Amino acid sequence: DAKTTQPPSMDCAEGRAANLPCNHSTISGNEYVYWYRQIHSQGPQYIIHGLKNNETNEMASLIITEDRKSSTLILPHATLRDTAVYYCIVRVKTSYDKVIFGPGTSLSVIP
Amino acid sequence: DTAVSQTPKYLVTQMGNDKSIKCEQNLGHDTMYWYKQDSKKFLKIMFSYNNKELIINETVPNRFSPKSPDKAHLNLHINSLELGDSAVYFCASSLPGQTSEQYFGPGTRLTVT
Repeated sequence: DAKTTQPPSMDCAEGRAANLPCNHSTISGNEYVYWYRQIHSQGPQYIIHGLKNNETNEMASLIITEDRKSSTLILPHATLRDTAVYYCIVRVKTSYDKVIFGPGTSLSVIP
Repeated sequence: DTAVSQTPKYLVTQMGNDKSIKCEQNLGHDTMYWYKQDSKKFLKIMFSYNNKELIINETVPNRFSPKSPDKAHLNLHINSLELGDSAVYFCASSLPGQTSEQYFGPGTRLTVT
């Protein structure tokens, strides 16, 4: 089973911020939180990752709670092209051992 | 230019056949992976190779055999195909290390009839 839980689906209006939550209550101190997304019929695409500080890049922002048991991915201005399945995973220290992506959150951006 | 490529994109075959899926990356990465995505959309790692050496081998039937002729290629050979092998198979690559992200190929949809 995946080590994270996410809502199965969410809707977001185009142009608004999309906030995607993830629970990872059993995360270890040396595990990072990663976010990927999968647009229909394509391979997953890396978005962002973090350990305990909030992170921002050109695609999104990642907010990690102080106890690290949950996080939120923020797409600041969602577009129709952001419609995808979003996966939150936690990684063990040195590799992708035991990592399972899924089932993720299916985000629909609505015009 | 495509970073991680897979061939074929679609593969339809009968039970009992042997088939191969090829993967190539031009990113100069040391580590390559094979994932299987089932009908429930769970994506699970199968194998990982680092510099042509196997470093992860999850619990998959020994009918599945990865082969890495060089660090830019990781092929997946499947013997005696079964109905349950039907899935989308993704290849990925990354730099080694704790914080490196993976780059995925477009996937190969395998249908066993």
